[in-house]
Amino acid sequence: TQLLEQSPQFLSIQEGENLTVYCNSSSVFSSLQWYRQEPGEGPVLLVTVVTGGEVKKLKRLTFQFGDARKDSSLHITAAQPGDTGLYLCAGVASGTYKYIFGTGTRLKVLA
Amino acid sequence: DAGVIQSPRHEVTEMGQEVTLRCKPISGHNSLFWYRQTMMRGLELLIYFNNNVPIDDSGMPEDRFSAKMPNASFSTLKIQPSEPRDSAVYFCASTRGPSYGYTFGSGTRLTVV
Repeated sequence: TQLLEQSPQFLSIQEGENLTVYCNSSSVFSSLQWYRQEPGEGPVLLVTVVTGGEVKKLKRLTFQFGDARKDSSLHITAAQPGDTGLYLCAGVASGTYKYIFGTGTRLKVLA
Repeated sequence: DAGVIQSPRHEVTEMGQEVTLRCKPISGHNSLFWYRQTMMRGLELLIYFNNNVPIDDSGMPEDRFSAKMPNASFSTLKIQPSEPRDSAVYFCASTRGPSYGYTFGSGTRLTVV
């Protein structure tokens, strides 16, 4: 059973556009992490969100943790070709010990 | 910090051959994970170790897969005999704990022909 659903699954946009990626679950998470994976490499940790309602910014990337800690979003402002990659959310659901990854969003930013 | 080091980066082998993938975790990280990634199934956890002890191997697909961690700085994932459906990218990751996130290696791209 996949506990972390991401949407959209695929996204292709033009350079300069804004976009939002969603990570949703019916379970509560004590924290969630976001990773970006570029072709030929492993996922790289971008951020950890811990508190319900928390917002973190990393340059043009804004991460938000839902108030109930069941969902998270990643917003990219003025996307650039260098943002191209697979974005993954991940975490440990309350009551479990397993660290799970979301289904992933594959982003392509066209120059 | 050299990060998580995996070898080889690429492996092409014939069906039926034994394949051994290697991983050196980050020093001080007490948990190590082996994942397999394919387009169809995404990232799948195969096995994880805590303090060199296998904790959960429920993701290992079959008895053909085995993993060892003889010490804190080295782990292997072995497939014997290999089959074409084992073709995938295999990642090793290590962490101090889930709240710190995982550090992944660059992966081994395995092709079984």
